Amino acid sequence: NAGVMQNPRHLVRRRGQEARLRCSPMKGHSHVYWYRQLPEEGLKFMVYLQKENIIDESGMPKERFSAEFPKEGPSILRIQQVVRGDSAAYFCASSSRTSGGIDTQYFGPGTRLTVL
Amino acid sequence: AQSVTQPDIHITVSEGASLELRCNYSYGATPYLFWYVQSPGQGLQLLLKYFSGDTLVQGIKGFEAEFKRSQSSFNLRKPSVHWSDAAEYFCAVGAETAGNKLTFGGGTRVLVKP
Repeated sequence: NAGVMQNPRHLVRRRGQEARLRCSPMKGHSHVYWYRQLPEEGLKFMVYLQKENIIDESGMPKERFSAEFPKEGPSILRIQQVVRGDSAAYFCASSSRTSGGIDTQYFGPGTRLTVL
Repeated sequence: AQSVTQPDIHITVSEGASLELRCNYSYGATPYLFWYVQSPGQGLQLLLKYFSGDTLVQGIKGFEAEFKRSQSSFNLRKPSVHWSDAAEYFCAVGAETAGNKLTFGGGTRVLVKP
C-alpha cells in the first residue's frame, strides 16, 4: 500500500524560473495539504485541497504560488518566478475524510527546492 | 489562533536512557494533538495522536505521550532510547474550528550518544 508520493525529491531552479511540485495522495485519500519547511524551522501550512476544490489557502503567499488538485492526476504546487527565499522543503500530506473531528494527515517524503 | 511551543531545540541523550520532549500548545477548546518524527532528509512519520479519551496515548516505536489539559501540554516520552531514535521531533495541533490544517512547533532535534 503505497504512501504519499512526491516528485521530484530534489529540484534546482534558477531565479525567475518556474517550479512544479507533484503530490500523489495515499490510495483512498481525497484530501491533500501542502506545507513548507524553511531551514531550521517547523512546517508551515500553505493550502488544503480536495479534488477540484481549494478548501483553505490561508497560508499561501499572495503572489507567484498556486495549487491545484484535478479530478485526475496528482496535486500540483506551482511557484512562478522563483526567488532564493523560496528555497525550502515542501511537504505534501493526505487524509481521508472522517465524519467528525479532524483528519489524520500522512506525509510524503518532501521535495527539496533549491533556487540558485 | 492556535500555537505550539517546543521549548527544547536540541536534546542529547545516552543510548538506553529515558527521553522526554516537551510540547505546550495554546488553544481555547479541546485540541487534536500529534507527534511526528522526521529522520534526516526524510518526510514526517506519525508517532501518535490524541483526539479524546485516555490522556495517556501509546504510539509506535515505544513512544507514549500524555495530554495534560491543566498544563496545556502534550509531552512525548520513551523509557529507553535507541540510536535509531536520533531524529527531529515535531508536535502539532489541530482544531475543528481551524479546518484540517495543522500548526507545528519548531521541532526538537534529538542526538543519541553511544
